[in-house]
Amino acid sequence: AQKITQTQPGMFVQEKEAVTLDCTYDTSDQSYGLFWYKQPSSGEMIFLIYQGSYDEQNATEGRYSLNFQKARKSANLVISASQLGDSAMYFCAMREGQRGYQKVTFGTGTKLQVIP
Amino acid sequence: DTGVSQDPRHKITKRGQNVTFRCDPISEHNRLYWYRQTLGQGPEFLTYFQNEAQLEKSRLLSDRFSAERPKGSFSTLEIQRTEQGDSAMYLCASSSGGGGEPQHFGDGTRLSIL
Repeated sequence: AQKITQTQPGMFVQEKEAVTLDCTYDTSDQSYGLFWYKQPSSGEMIFLIYQGSYDEQNATEGRYSLNFQKARKSANLVISASQLGDSAMYFCAMREGQRGYQKVTFGTGTKLQVIP
Repeated sequence: DTGVSQDPRHKITKRGQNVTFRCDPISEHNRLYWYRQTLGQGPEFLTYFQNEAQLEKSRLLSDRFSAERPKGSFSTLEIQRTEQGDSAMYLCASSSGGGGEPQHFGDGTRLSIL
């Protein structure tokens, strides 16, 4: 089974609107972490947001928020007020196991295009 | 903080040749990772170092692949007898540890096998 599933290969959003990128995960560990990264066409991977499995509040970082539903094993990224510069690939990733262990599994990504 | 640096940015080589890539992590980071990314896919984990110790290797890392981090600072990834299937972007990342600490990525080395 895939550890990280991103079911939306591509998404379009109008500038200034909000968009949700889906991510579901599969793990039997109690301790894990979920990350979202952005990869523009230039290729660099940019860290956006992190949610720990024991964190009770949904993570937020500026225009990014993570809608964490533990029972459903989902960790959707919400981008508010989309900007043209948000056009990029977005990857959901999971760290499993002990907090000091950092092997991370990535999903296949969602390509977001922001329309003016 | 100068970020993670990878060299070279691009490498074109003939099948069967050996190649070596270098990664310089963020200076205070003791953890270093190598990933491979092919077109349309997310990065795939290859190997992980904590200081100079290589703690895990993916089964993706065949015998032709070797990675070192001799002094716990920079790392090298060598591919021997390259094959067409080795064409990919090779990404290096570093982190300072801790569960919520993100990995910081370099710009990658794009390998093309002729």
